[in-house]
Amino acid sequence: SQQGEEDPQALSIQEGENATMNCSYKTSINNLQWYRQNSGRGLVHLILIRSNEREKHSGRLRVTLDTSKKSSSLLITASRAADTASYFCATDAKGAQKLVFGQGTRLTINP
Amino acid sequence: ETGVTQTPRHLVMGMTNKKSLKCEQHLGHNAMYWYKQSAKKPLELMFVYNFKEQTENNSVPSRFSPECPNSSHLFLHLHTLQPEDSALYLCASSQADQAGELFFGEGSRLTVL
Repeated sequence: SQQGEEDPQALSIQEGENATMNCSYKTSINNLQWYRQNSGRGLVHLILIRSNEREKHSGRLRVTLDTSKKSSSLLITASRAADTASYFCATDAKGAQKLVFGQGTRLTINP
Repeated sequence: ETGVTQTPRHLVMGMTNKKSLKCEQHLGHNAMYWYKQSAKKPLELMFVYNFKEQTENNSVPSRFSPECPNSSHLFLHLHTLQPEDSALYLCASSQADQAGELFFGEGSRLTVL
């Protein structure tokens, strides 16, 4: 069954604005990861946040994790046209030893 | 360049053909994965190999046959596929089968006629 679900499914904003994507999941996790995928290409790892962490930063990316609500958010600040891609969260359910991906958020940055 | 190379990038085959997808990783990882990505569906885990041994088969039909001769190479043999098998097939590797960071190849776009 699907573990992570991203919201919204699609997001279109102007260059320079901030983009926020959310992910909800169902079971207890060891960690949660965010990946990016340009159209027709492979996925690229962006950031991993462990279940005992609440917030993590990497460049223009900020990820939060709320294990009580079983949710995470990915914030991209000062968006650029090159940020146009699909973004996926992936969860490592405890005891499962495998990553389960959500359906992704398709982000479009308009110049 | 992620260190994971998939060939071919594009493949068109008939339902009676036999073809293979190849994946090679140059990262020294011990775990390798096949994922299927279809339109409007989440990424589906198909197979996991850990130290050349298959540790996960996610109820994949037998027309998909994986092979892992060593920790650096992974194949997906395709036989008598259906049009609904058309998808992007992604290979990934990781340090070990512990659901840490995955490194993906660029994928093989398969079209079954």
